[in-house]
Amino acid sequence: DAKTTQPNSMESNEEEPVHLPCNHSTISGTDYIHWYRQLPSQGPEYVIHGLTSNVNNRMASLAIAEDRKSSTLILHRATLRDAAVYYCIYASGGSNYKLTFGKGTLLTVNP
Amino acid sequence: GAGVSQSPSNKVTEKGKDVELRCDPISGHTALYWYRQRLGQGLEFLIYFQGNSAPDKSGLPSDRFSAERTGESVSTLTIQRTQQEDSAVYLCASSMTSGRSSTDTQYFGPGTRLTVL
Repeated sequence: DAKTTQPNSMESNEEEPVHLPCNHSTISGTDYIHWYRQLPSQGPEYVIHGLTSNVNNRMASLAIAEDRKSSTLILHRATLRDAAVYYCIYASGGSNYKLTFGKGTLLTVNP
Repeated sequence: GAGVSQSPSNKVTEKGKDVELRCDPISGHTALYWYRQRLGQGLEFLIYFQGNSAPDKSGLPSDRFSAERTGESVSTLTIQRTQQEDSAVYLCASSMTSGRSSTDTQYFGPGTRLTVL
């Protein structure tokens, strides 16, 4: 299984930036890093993905280390609606559809 | 457009009964996936369908679990002789392409919460 390591929980204040770290030391050169998040009582939703370069979309930014062994999801201004479990994942070995979600990081946003 | 839908949203059953869970993927999505999420845990892959290819059933935990999909439409996950350890949220996802590319995005439904008494 593709293994990533994330902190169990993090806290942020509303309107402040949040940096969610992820370690993926066994990732291969062709595996994309994906981030999903799961709001309470909902299924996971896609946030962002990247390979080597930093990526930006309307939801977040993804900063990928030069050696690709770690990445950071950046929420530029946290809102209360961003409170969720954030999962960092990748699939490898030709079974890219078998996404392995660990326990993720529970993000709490304080008003 | 409409997302992935699942029914029922909640199901309470007695140990030993059979249950059937339904998933309606996003129209046009060729790949469909089932996952299980136990309370406080991450997601476990169960099964994958892609077009008319043989499904990948490698994640099914026992022969009490089975799933079917007709073409590129509805899928049903059936659990026979339910046990208390089957209690979990069962999530369905679909993707536009095969899912075999490292860039494919999966779109999840809200899940079915199954409670086995």
